[in-house]
Amino acid sequence: AQSVTQLDSHVSVSEGTPVLLRCNYSSSYSPSLFWYVQHPNKGLQLLLKYTSAATLVKGINGFEAEFKKSETSFHLTKPSAHMSDAAEYFCVVSLNNAGNMLTFGGGTRLMVKP
Amino acid sequence: NAGVMQNPRHLVRRRGQEARLRCSPMKGHSHVYWYRQLPEEGLKFMVYLQKENIIDESGMPKERFSAEFPKEGPSILRIQQVVRGDSAAYFCASSATGTGAQGQPQHFGDGTRLSIL
Repeated sequence: AQSVTQLDSHVSVSEGTPVLLRCNYSSSYSPSLFWYVQHPNKGLQLLLKYTSAATLVKGINGFEAEFKKSETSFHLTKPSAHMSDAAEYFCVVSLNNAGNMLTFGGGTRLMVKP
Repeated sequence: NAGVMQNPRHLVRRRGQEARLRCSPMKGHSHVYWYRQLPEEGLKFMVYLQKENIIDESGMPKERFSAEFPKEGPSILRIQQVVRGDSAAYFCASSATGTGAQGQPQHFGDGTRLSIL
C-alpha cells in the first residue's frame, strides 16, 4: 500500500522569505512523486515530478523538491515567496508497477503575507 | 492547445435527480481518470478508463455511480439518484500513457462543482 502525509495543513510565510512544504511518503516499491498546486476554484497544475532520475527536481515558478529515500521525504521548497504563490499544494505518489492510481496527501494551504 | 475540458463547471441538482459530468481529455491522451474532492480534503481516486474500457474502478462507490469513455466523445461520470453527500468537486485528468509505469504526469481539468439541494 502507498500513502502520503503532508505534515502541515497550513503554512504562513511573509513575501520574500523561503517556503518549505513537507511531505513524507510510504511505498513498498519505487514511486513516482509529484507536487501539484491548486488555486481557488481551479484544477490542479503540475509543479514538478520525480521519476528516479536526479534526486533534486526543479519545477515551475522557482519551486524545487528533493527526493530523500532514507527519510522517505519529498519536501517542496522555494527561496523567496511571492504573493501569487498563495494556494493549496498537494504531494502525490504513484507506484511505478501498480498502474496509474495517484494517491494524494491531504494538502497544505500556503498563505503569503505582504 | 486545449487542456482537459470539463463541463459543466457548476451543476446543481435536487436529491433523487441524475448528474452527468463530462470530460474531454487533452488531444492525444487516451487515459482518463476521475477524482472526487470533498471540502478541505485532497483528491480521492475514483476510476481509471481507457477508450471503451474501465481499467480500475476501485475508488468508485458500488451503487449509483458509473463511468464510461466511449470510442467517440467525452468521458462521462454519471451519478444516479443523487444525495446530499455527493456534493463535491469532481476532477478529471488525462495522460498520454500509464502514469505509474512511465512516470507521466496526469493533467487536470478545472473540475465540476456539484451541489445537491
